[in-house]
Amino acid sequence: KAGVTQTPRYLIKTRGQQVTLSCSPISGHRSVSWYQQTPGQGLQFLFEYFSETQRNKGNFPGRFSGRQFSNSRSEMNVSTLELGDSALYLCASSHGTVGTGELFFGEGSRLTVL
Amino acid sequence: GIQVEQSPPDLILQEGANSTLRCNFSDSVNNLQWFHQNPWGQLINLFYIPSGTKQNGRLSATTVATERYSLLYISSSQTTDSGVYFCAVDSGGYQKVTFGTGTKLQVIP
Repeated sequence: KAGVTQTPRYLIKTRGQQVTLSCSPISGHRSVSWYQQTPGQGLQFLFEYFSETQRNKGNFPGRFSGRQFSNSRSEMNVSTLELGDSALYLCASSHGTVGTGELFFGEGSRLTVL
Repeated sequence: GIQVEQSPPDLILQEGANSTLRCNFSDSVNNLQWFHQNPWGQLINLFYIPSGTKQNGRLSATTVATERYSLLYISSSQTTDSGVYFCAVDSGGYQKVTFGTGTKLQVIP
């Protein structure tokens, strides 16, 4: 059974650019959630999607957005990149039932903003 | 929102030693997971344990939900156990998970 796949694994952007990250969940999982990890702030929840609907959102500016497709694959986009957006972005998938659900994480996408 | 605290923040062990990592949380939770973050950044599932006790080889975990804490036990530690251990709790449903600050473990030969 394939795990959670994130692409790209590494990328370098410059301030002001935008970036799109992709996440393919485990087959049969309908929930995809995204997290940002930085040395200063730790692991922080960005948003969660289930059946193409955003169900929950963390405290991030509107420059951070996402979507989910009918096959449960998800993308997140960060526009007008800032130096502080440099981070490891982790995607997790789960079955998505409310109140239950073990999370399984991908290997992450490491973004560097210059 | 819910607060999740882990202790100790750093731990250095001699290979073969045992250790206990603690996770305290400030409110009732639906789920609790323990993860080990490998050097490449991936979070590896250790336990999904909203309550009770589970064991997997040299690792075991106990969650006492009524007292709002969880413990991760590592016995006969090996250098490959080095890394950062996180607990993560889901208190509000819809997978809005809150992570602890982590325990950085270094096992020396």
